[in-house]
This record gives sequence, C-alpha cells and structure tokens, in this order.
Amino acid sequence: DAGVIQSPRHEVTEMGQEVTLRCKPISGHDSLFWYRQTMMRGLELLIYFNNNVPIDDSGMPEDRFSAKMPNASFSTLKIQPSEPRDSAVYFCASRPIWGDYGYTFGSGTRLTVV
Amino acid sequence: KQEVTQIPAALSVPEGENLVLNCSFTDSAIYNLQWFRQDPGKGLTSLLLIQSSQREQTSGRLNASLDKSSGRSTLYIAASQPGDSATYLCAVSDYKLSFGAGTTVTVRA
Repeated sequence: DAGVIQSPRHEVTEMGQEVTLRCKPISGHDSLFWYRQTMMRGLELLIYFNNNVPIDDSGMPEDRFSAKMPNASFSTLKIQPSEPRDSAVYFCASRPIWGDYGYTFGSGTRLTVV
Repeated sequence: KQEVTQIPAALSVPEGENLVLNCSFTDSAIYNLQWFRQDPGKGLTSLLLIQSSQREQTSGRLNASLDKSSGRSTLYIAASQPGDSATYLCAVSDYKLSFGAGTTVTVRA
C-alpha cells in the first residue's frame, strides 16, 4: 500500500484566498483524522471521520475551516478565507475503526499564508 | 481531557549512550500508546505501538514500556547513533490520538 497520501506537499497562498488540502487514506481504513502542527501548540486534532461521517469537529478553529469526506478514499480540508495564523503543517492520518491498531500519518501539507 | 507530557523536552548525548525518553498521561482509559519519530520538516514515522493489554514492545534497538495504572510509558533507545537525532513523540489513543510536545534528541558523533 502507498500509505496515506496528501496533496499538495507545500502551499503558499495570499491572505483571503481559499485553500483546499487533500487526503487519500489507506484502503480499508475507515477512520480518518486531520491534525494541525504548529510550534506553539504542537499537534492538534481538528476533525475525524468514521465511515465518511464526521464524528468530532470540536477542534476546528473557526467557521473558516470545513472538512468533507465524500467517499472512503478521499477527504478535503478547506480554509476560506485563509489568514496568516493558519500557517502550519496539516497532517492526515487513518486507521481501521475496529481492533487495536495504530495510526498511519501522511507526509503533511505545509501551508504558508502571506 | 487527556493530557500527555514528555520529559525531557530536549536531550543531547554522545554517540553510543543509551537514551531514555519519558511520557506520562492523565487518563488511563486508553486503547493503546504509540511512539513516533519526526525528522525536521518531515512527517511522523511510527516506531512502536503498545496495545493496552501489553506491558512492552520491542523493535531492534528500541524498547517501549507501558504502565497504564500509573499513566507512564518509557522509550529506550540502546547504543544511540547520530541517525537517531530527531524529535520523538508519544501519543495515547482513546477515541482519538493525543500527543505530547515531544523530546528533541541530538546524538553527538
């Protein structure tokens, strides 16, 4: 398996623009997680899905952030409008819902908002 | 809310020395605990997964222990090498993964 695939690897955008981050989980993994990593706050959970359904979005910082999972093999995290404080590395992770399995992380998207 | 603490925050040792990294967590109702490695500017690489019913897990020079009752885990790295220089993250899983802030390790040649 190719692992969790995220795109793009790097994104530089201007304040106010819409940004869309993409994630393809490992086939057969039915839980998907979006994390954000910053120097100040470390790794924070933004939202997670089970079987494509959002379960907990309490970590989503504000209404400017939205996430979707239209099918088992694809998820998006959208920021509209983007702000400089959104600059961070965004990670996607997946795991099977049932069983005592660990999490597999993607390589991340480094977002810079100028 | 689960709180995960890692001590020390940074560690510098000469090559060949054994490393001991500590992790503590506040809620013992966890499914498992996972140790990750992160190189600068890179993603997270899973090192070891300790299931809640296990006491320890080993992979090569790495050994991790888990004491759920006291809320502690320790990662041991034997005979450290410069290539072990990285940030090591401890994460505990209930319905989600909660991370510590990490221990940044530097192994001096």
